[in-house]
Amino acid sequence: GAVVSQHPSRVICKSGTSVKIECRSLDFQATTMFWYRQFPKQSLMLMATSNEGSKATYEQGVEKDKFLINHASLTLSTLTVTSAHPEDSSFYICSASQGANIQYFGAGTRLSVL
Amino acid sequence: AQKVTQAQTEISVVEKEDVTLDCVYETRDTTYYLFWYKQPPSGELVFLIRRNSFDEQNEISGRYSWNFQKSTSSFNFTITASQVVDSAVYFCALSEGWAAGNKLTFGGGTRVLVKP
Repeated sequence: GAVVSQHPSRVICKSGTSVKIECRSLDFQATTMFWYRQFPKQSLMLMATSNEGSKATYEQGVEKDKFLINHASLTLSTLTVTSAHPEDSSFYICSASQGANIQYFGAGTRLSVL
Repeated sequence: AQKVTQAQTEISVVEKEDVTLDCVYETRDTTYYLFWYKQPPSGELVFLIRRNSFDEQNEISGRYSWNFQKSTSSFNFTITASQVVDSAVYFCALSEGWAAGNKLTFGGGTRVLVKP
């Protein structure tokens, strides 16, 4: 099946720093990638949809200047959490889809902001 | 607007028991896709099944089976003869439109704990 690699799997950072998370589709070209956030024992909430070569579409309530998304190629999307604060600590998961196919998910990144 | 409801937040069973997870969805679209994903403690989401709105056939895959009923807007999932490795959180999800790659709306998830 399709493989989506997400890196890093875990990151601990100091408050005020920026953190970049990468999402790569390894064996297919992803026309669309999605970024989700998941708080402990809760469901996944879509943050934004990113299409290669165009600006990401953010869900209501998600700060686009806080969560910068870049989808520079058909196999790579990045999420940068800028000036992270403890309330940004969460589990971030990306997914990738190829046209009409299903979404394949990365293994997630657990962000802890001290 | 689309919505997915998983009424059961947690289910605990003893190994070899069957367990059924309920999923009820809401959508105004006539074309949509339904999914089930498994999230083990490690965190990654594992795709289990996709079903489009025009295909109401039930499906069986090993110990897993799914019952799709448009009349009640439900897409229930049954694990037969559960095993400890089935312990995970299971999410039902809905995608509107013809392309299954459209954004997903997830239910709240059901945590399944299978005890030996």
